[in-house]
Amino acid sequence: NAGVTQTPKFRILKIGQSMTLQCTQDMNHNYMYWYRQDPGMGLKLIYYSVGAGITDKGEVPNGYNVSRSTTEDFPLRLELAAPSQTSVYFCASGLVYGYTFGSGTRLTVV
Amino acid sequence: AQTVTQSQPEMSVQEAETVTLSCTYDTSESDYYLFWYKQPPSRQMILVIRQEAYKQQNATENRFSVNFQKAAKSFSLKISDSQLGDAAMYFCAYRGIQGGSEKLVFGKGMKLTVNP
Repeated sequence: NAGVTQTPKFRILKIGQSMTLQCTQDMNHNYMYWYRQDPGMGLKLIYYSVGAGITDKGEVPNGYNVSRSTTEDFPLRLELAAPSQTSVYFCASGLVYGYTFGSGTRLTVV
Repeated sequence: AQTVTQSQPEMSVQEAETVTLSCTYDTSESDYYLFWYKQPPSRQMILVIRQEAYKQQNATENRFSVNFQKAAKSFSLKISDSQLGDAAMYFCAYRGIQGGSEKLVFGKGMKLTVNP
């Protein structure tokens, strides 16, 4: 049972490049979330999904896109990377009463 | 919109002593879940304890317990017999139950230092 798997763990992007952060869960959870965590700060919600085919914006969605074609996968797409997107990104999945987090992706945009 | 406030950015405690971390939240819902998560330097988010709003009894998990005051919208975490391994960032989180309230909202966190 792998839980929530995020790839890659680390990535350096140049300004203007694009990339997709992958998130996969094997627990058949309907709810999935993407957060970013800036140094010394809390988690800010980027996007979330309540099931396959359904996504909604969180607190800081600008510069990101998501899709949820299957229950298992919830990729986060960064288009035209900017230095302000340098952060640690966490994916989480769960039920109403509990959530499992991935180990995070540290992204640096230079 | 629901908000979660952790007003103390940092706290310290002596090993073996007790410390209380505070959290307040704002919501118009009557049914919801509250969580405390721990984030050690490894960066992994670890669920410490969970409280269902409809339960009047405070949740307890070994050395961790909460003081849930629904009317005051307060949700504090008490750590008894503090251990060095308790040193971490602690985040309070809220999750509504009603449709349209599926966001899991976090406070800004609090850094706990445990002194030997």
